[in-house]
Amino acid sequence: SQKIEQNSEALNIQEGKTATLTCNYTNYSPAYLQWYRQDPGRGPVFLLLIRENEKEKRKERLKVTFDTTLKQSLFHITASQPADSATYLCALDKSDTGRRALTFGSGTRLQVQP
Amino acid sequence: ETGVTQSPTHLIKTRGQQVTLRCSSQSGHNTVSWYQQALGQGPQFIFQYYREEENGRGNFPPRFSGLQFPNYSSELNVNALELDDSALYLCASSPPSGRDNEQFFGPGTRLTVL
Repeated sequence: SQKIEQNSEALNIQEGKTATLTCNYTNYSPAYLQWYRQDPGRGPVFLLLIRENEKEKRKERLKVTFDTTLKQSLFHITASQPADSATYLCALDKSDTGRRALTFGSGTRLQVQP
Repeated sequence: ETGVTQSPTHLIKTRGQQVTLRCSSQSGHNTVSWYQQALGQGPQFIFQYYREEENGRGNFPPRFSGLQFPNYSSELNVNALELDDSALYLCASSPPSGRDNEQFFGPGTRLTVL
């Protein structure tokens, strides 16, 4: 069956360091992989999308890589700040049926210590 | 601010009751998806509506049903509520096809079933 796993339920790092979050998937061939941020009691907010034919995508302090051979995506936040503390979700989308249904991982809770 | 609104914000029901949750999509978005998010888990796809018709469904029983209206707003109905239906229900809207599958989530409705 299809499975999406995100590393460790929680990740604690010091302010200024780079946070690296992992998303692994099995039995899936996604056309896209997306990363969302979710704060407590709020809906997820879209951060970045990377296509299957892209290796890397950047946006300000964020960087996402996508390795379809390893079936893995890495999400990096450089120069992390306490305001980056949140839960980060990866989501896969096949998009071959025209139906935009996302399959989410369970998320990684990031805590950036000042 | 995503522009997607949901009502109510919180709701308490008892087992066996029925509930209706509402969502107004972002302006210009014609696709609405509903997700269920249990505590500590990622959102799970319930179903999607496109131009007032169901356009795909996740692994949820028929007692979960929905509607989309001509103005693209949507309702999620759940009959015969069970304790396990307690969760955050998220609505997400997407722009017309041809664009990336970025989804814009509302703040959610927290449903508690006693």
